Amino acid sequence: EVQLLESGGGLVQPGGSLRLSCAASGFAFGSYAMTWVRQAPGKGLEWVSAITGSGGNTYYADSVKGRCTISRDNSKNTLYLEMNSLRAGDTALYYCVKYLRPATPFFDYWGQGTLVTVSS
Amino acid sequence: QSALTQPASVSGSPGQSITISCTGTSSDVGGYNYVSWYQQHPGKAPKLMIYEVSNRPSGVSDRFSGSKSGYTASLTISGLQAEDEADYYCSSYTTTSISFGGGTKLTVL
Repeated sequence: EVQLLESGGGLVQPGGSLRLSCAASGFAFGSYAMTWVRQAPGKGLEWVSAITGSGGNTYYADSVKGRCTISRDNSKNTLYLEMNSLRAGDTALYYCVKYLRPATPFFDYWGQGTLVTVSS
Repeated sequence: QSALTQPASVSGSPGQSITISCTGTSSDVGGYNYVSWYQQHPGKAPKLMIYEVSNRPSGVSDRFSGSKSGYTASLTISGLQAEDEADYYCSSYTTTSISFGGGTKLTVL
């Protein structure tokens, strides 16, 4: 059974940093691209970042480019999102998401999310 | 503002059919068949309902179908059931990223 378990969210002041983690199990982690999608309270879904299975290529939404870094450790089956210079607009539930196929942007498994709150 | 445009809400009675539209541009919906649809119930994670415009993942009811014409993709739900009441999001690959629509709230009357 595929499982994605996010952690690392919490309350952080504007300008602060957080590192989100996602522990994956139940599939060949290193064979699949992974992505982070966020959802602000009461709002819609927003794609944040993606990384290929090997970790060799990364992609970012304009809203987080330069402030976030996605990475993965395939030996630990873990996905990460390093977030810096956090703003109030980054407040959201962050989902760790698996690609349906290794490299096509369809998302078949979602974690339950980790909540990031940026506030003073 | 979302890159993909969806109606804010749609409604239908049990047994009826409804269609949710998702309008983009030549850089996303119109340029690729990488369109997908997600269902989200309150407090739950989204669920993939349709991928690659019209394909259903294993386990998704055949009451759900997808199509595309030009810059607009559509999700049709036939034989509406109470459990279909949820938010629905379209998504498309774009030339530079991945976009989601703003979401459509489906109410089953």
